[in-house]
Amino acid sequence: DIVMTQTPLSLSVTPGQSASISCKSSQSLLHSDGKTYLYWYLQKPGQSPQLLIYEVSSRFSGVPDRFSGSGSGTDFTLKISRVEAEDVGVYYCMHGIHLPPTFGQGTKVEIK
Amino acid sequence: EVQVVESGGGLVQPGGSLRLSCAASGFTFSSYWMTWVRQAPGKGLEWVANINQDGSEKYYVDSVKGRFTISRDNAKNSLYLQMNSLRAEDTAVYYCASRYAPTYWGQGTLVTVSS
Repeated sequence: DIVMTQTPLSLSVTPGQSASISCKSSQSLLHSDGKTYLYWYLQKPGQSPQLLIYEVSSRFSGVPDRFSGSGSGTDFTLKISRVEAEDVGVYYCMHGIHLPPTFGQGTKVEIK
Repeated sequence: EVQVVESGGGLVQPGGSLRLSCAASGFTFSSYWMTWVRQAPGKGLEWVANINQDGSEKYYVDSVKGRFTISRDNAKNSLYLQMNSLRAEDTAVYYCASRYAPTYWGQGTLVTVSS
């Protein structure tokens, strides 16, 4: 199985500042079809996870443009520009290149 | 509006069985893969199983193979997870989600395996 490793595991951010979360996979997530199957989710306190980013850098419907994803191969980054109070929660990366899909351990983001 | 609503969770003894259901609406259910993901108390997310549009392809995480069965009824816009031979380590909130890469998630249903 592909291992997804996130760093850091926790992050405390001042509102208005930016934050970055790294996700590294144990194998390349570049598929032969040319797409890279890396996703980012946010689980707000007491809620279900919600999709933020699909295929490395595409924002899902309704996701604010302060969220951006980048990376390739095995190294990926989620950046939150101008962090707001509503961005608190646990962020997970997930691969979908083959079975089973696996998630990173999660990164807990708090507001200072 | 897309909605997925899970039901069927509860307390069950080790070795027992439970059937989870997921009712979907707001999208063409029969056109999409569907997925189950679980989250043990205080832990991260774990993909459990998925099923293709017509139910001919089903995949499971190794830890549930032979014990869990995923199925769907496209006429009823419903997804199911039959869980047999339950173990304490199956205790988790089980989420139903649309698509191969989980896109729209339900609120989850709690399964507790304990004597």
